[in-house]
Amino acid sequence: NAGVMQNPRHLVRRRGQEARLRCSPMKGHSHVYWYRQLPEEGLKFMVYLQKENIIDESGMPKERFSAEFPKEGPSILRIQQVVRGDSAAYFCASSPLPTGRGGEQYFGPGTRLTVT
Amino acid sequence: GESVGLHLPTLSVQEGDNSIINCAYSNSASDYFIWYKQESGKGPQFIIDIRSNMDKRQGQRVTVLLNKTVKHLSLQIAATQPGDSAVYFCAEGLDSWGKLQFGAGTQVVVTP
Repeated sequence: NAGVMQNPRHLVRRRGQEARLRCSPMKGHSHVYWYRQLPEEGLKFMVYLQKENIIDESGMPKERFSAEFPKEGPSILRIQQVVRGDSAAYFCASSPLPTGRGGEQYFGPGTRLTVT
Repeated sequence: GESVGLHLPTLSVQEGDNSIINCAYSNSASDYFIWYKQESGKGPQFIIDIRSNMDKRQGQRVTVLLNKTVKHLSLQIAATQPGDSAVYFCAEGLDSWGKLQFGAGTQVVVTP
């Protein structure tokens, strides 16, 4: 069973461009979480999705950021008009059940976004 | 070696010694707590978790202790090995949430 897959692993964008980060959860996992990590800091929750639904987006900036988890295909975190402050590592995690109800979150290797 | 809170970001431990990593969590209503290990360039890896109705849980070479009175969580690693060198994060969550709230992390460096 392959783990959580994220691509690309490294992404360089110029200010004003769009960044699209992809996450394929583990097989059988219908819960996906996105986190952002700045250098030497902990992970900060952004958004929690189930198939076709956003459950909790309380950690996601209201502007420029969006996320989806379609019925078919990977979850996508989209950042429009990137700015230097968006440079960070973005991690996706998946679980078979909601965390805390037996659903351990398994993390992917992350996408390191650099905005120049 | 022992860290005191997350304001001491680096813990140096001699190989073979026991490590104690501490975490002060923020939400007295949290239902569960998890310790993750993150190696450079990788995603966090689950180590061990504990529910709020427990005060101790043991795994392979690791023990997590929970003190709800002072909102304190610790991870003990027995016979620390070079492969234990990493950043360790505590995380807390509520059953009604999906998200995890992470602490800032402690860098553990194992010296020969």
